[in-house]
Amino acid sequence: DSGVTQTPKHLITATGQRVTLRCSPRSGDLSVYWYQQSLDQGLQFLIQYYNGEERAKGNILERFSAQQFPDLHSELNLSSLELGDSALYFCASSEWGGSYNEQFFGPGTRLTVL
Amino acid sequence: TQLLEQSPQFLSIQEGENLTVYCNSSSVFSSLQWYRQEPGEGPVLLVTVVTGGEVKKLKRLTFQFGDARKDSSLHITAAQPGDTGLYLCAGAGAGNQFYFGTGTSLTVIP
Repeated sequence: DSGVTQTPKHLITATGQRVTLRCSPRSGDLSVYWYQQSLDQGLQFLIQYYNGEERAKGNILERFSAQQFPDLHSELNLSSLELGDSALYFCASSEWGGSYNEQFFGPGTRLTVL
Repeated sequence: TQLLEQSPQFLSIQEGENLTVYCNSSSVFSSLQWYRQEPGEGPVLLVTVVTGGEVKKLKRLTFQFGDARKDSSLHITAAQPGDTGLYLCAGAGAGNQFYFGTGTSLTVIP
């Protein structure tokens, strides 16, 4: 158990819909990262937040958005869903925001878009 | 865009054999990490290397960062079934972005 929690574990929805994925970082960690893992694209970095502020942005689509709240939990919002958005979405947290910090990954949310 | 290419993509070996996984890129990274991921779970960090030429050992695993900080290797000695999993390298690039490799799926047969 990494100490990072993600809800829900599974999510099945239809194209065009909007969903919200939630992540609670390990106690004391200030930074949260979101990743998408699919069979054809591998593990793709989406976005990072540090203490409520956006720190780095990766391959995140405009239809996707995220935020980190004052209590440090984070949400990833996916809208206008397409079949290709079906994937495992991981959240990770680290104590600080630097590239040397160990990231602890949550168990992931499996999103299926039908 | 995949900046980190791993080879081989799949590897199936007998228990006790040695193996090496490679992680190559044309980009320079400030640090490079290796993770192992098991089915249905998130990746777990094995090691972080930050200095060109650095070698780190973790029991039967040896990690090396290339001199130019563009590539890395993972060597496992006397592989065991518990080593089975997906091995991922990840590089930290400009703007604190993290790039994961294509992955190497290792199966160790008892």
